[in-house]
Amino acid sequence: GAGVSQSPSNKVTEKGKDVELRCDPISGHTALYWYRQSLGQGLEFLIYFQGNSAPDKSGLPSDRFSAERTGGSVSTLTIQRTQQEDSAVYLCASSPTSSSTDTQYFGPGTRLTVL
Amino acid sequence: AQKITQTQPGMFVQEKEAVTLDCTYDTSDPSYGLFWYKQPSSGEMIFLIYQGSYDQQNATEGRYSLNFQKARKSANLVISASQLGDSAMYFCAMREPYNTGNQFYFGTGTSLTVIP
Repeated sequence: GAGVSQSPSNKVTEKGKDVELRCDPISGHTALYWYRQSLGQGLEFLIYFQGNSAPDKSGLPSDRFSAERTGGSVSTLTIQRTQQEDSAVYLCASSPTSSSTDTQYFGPGTRLTVL
Repeated sequence: AQKITQTQPGMFVQEKEAVTLDCTYDTSDPSYGLFWYKQPSSGEMIFLIYQGSYDQQNATEGRYSLNFQKARKSANLVISASQLGDSAMYFCAMREPYNTGNQFYFGTGTSLTVIP
């Protein structure tokens, strides 16, 4: 079946512009995660959704970052007034349930470059 | 305190040899899951192996096995018969559903290079 998809795959924007990144999880997966990965670094947790609600927003770096999930499926990560330090790969992952036995399945990521 | 610690930023192994990548974790949750992921230079994150906190035996998946020492809170990944395609970043992760509401915690990763 289809895996996690993300769009766009690459996004180049100018400092100060807003961007929207989209994630389509695997059908039926209830948990959805957003991460940020800077070049050569590990994964930085941003936000987690269980269904449409986000019980954990603690990782969002600033109030310029927001995310929503609708219909328990597609999620959008929005970055307002982008800064150069926002440049990174943004990874989305989904998991079948909230059980500790379930792994995450990752999308290919969106590479964001802020000029 | 770090939830997941990977102390080896970089490792080298000769082709066909075995290699162990270290991972220690910190949790007070009695129920947790431990995961290893591989990230080649292409950037995709690939799930390799899972170990549950209540599992009595070490997990194995093909050439991958997990050396799980619960009392030491370590979950080292063992790759047997290394291949050139194993060169990648490897991340250890933990999921603890009760303490932190299901967040996955990742280590900083180990870069593995397989030498021909």
